Amino acid sequence: AQRVTQPEKLLSVFKGAPVELKCNYSYSGSPELFWYVQYSRQRLQLLLRHISRESIKGFTADLNKGETSFHLKKPFAQEEDSAMYYCALDPTIQGAQKLVFGQGTRLTINP
Amino acid sequence: DGGITQSPKYLFRKEGQNVTLSCEQNLNHDAMYWYRQDPGQGLRLIYYSQIVNDFQKGDIAEGYSVSREKKESFPLTVTSAQKNPTAFYLCASTQGQGVYSPLHFGNGTRLTVT
Repeated sequence: AQRVTQPEKLLSVFKGAPVELKCNYSYSGSPELFWYVQYSRQRLQLLLRHISRESIKGFTADLNKGETSFHLKKPFAQEEDSAMYYCALDPTIQGAQKLVFGQGTRLTINP
Repeated sequence: DGGITQSPKYLFRKEGQNVTLSCEQNLNHDAMYWYRQDPGQGLRLIYYSQIVNDFQKGDIAEGYSVSREKKESFPLTVTSAQKNPTAFYLCASTQGQGVYSPLHFGNGTRLTVT
């Protein structure tokens, strides 16, 4: 069965410090992985998708198939990064996106 | 302003009653989804629909039912058979097959059953 694990429920760092939100997955095939974010009083929205290999708002995430991880990183945290972050896996090759979500990590950036 | 509207924001029901949560989208998306979120847990897929008049069970469909009579609407009924109905429910949509688009979420409905 597919599973996504985010080991940290809460993560607190100071502004300007590096941030790493951990995500591990279990899936036998080649997954498509995502990070979704929910800022205060906003809807859950896509932050980035691994296949795009983009940097969004300074965040990057590298798929490590050997360690089955997809950690989200940012070198210098900003206060506006405070939010709830969800890692998600899509096991389907095509058709509907039946995402499997992790439990989420609440990131707080302290001034 | 395009988006997904879920109503109501808060819903209270007595145990044993069925309740229907509304989800409407004006994004012209083909696919729609219902997720359930419980404290400390990720979102879990209840039902999804890729096209009008068709829907499939997700991972936790027991005790729920849906319909997809119109492209823009995907209501979820929480039946009395659902053992733990109190939760936060999120509706989402995507463009559909052949075209990737991220999940667009609604603001959610918090259901409390006593």
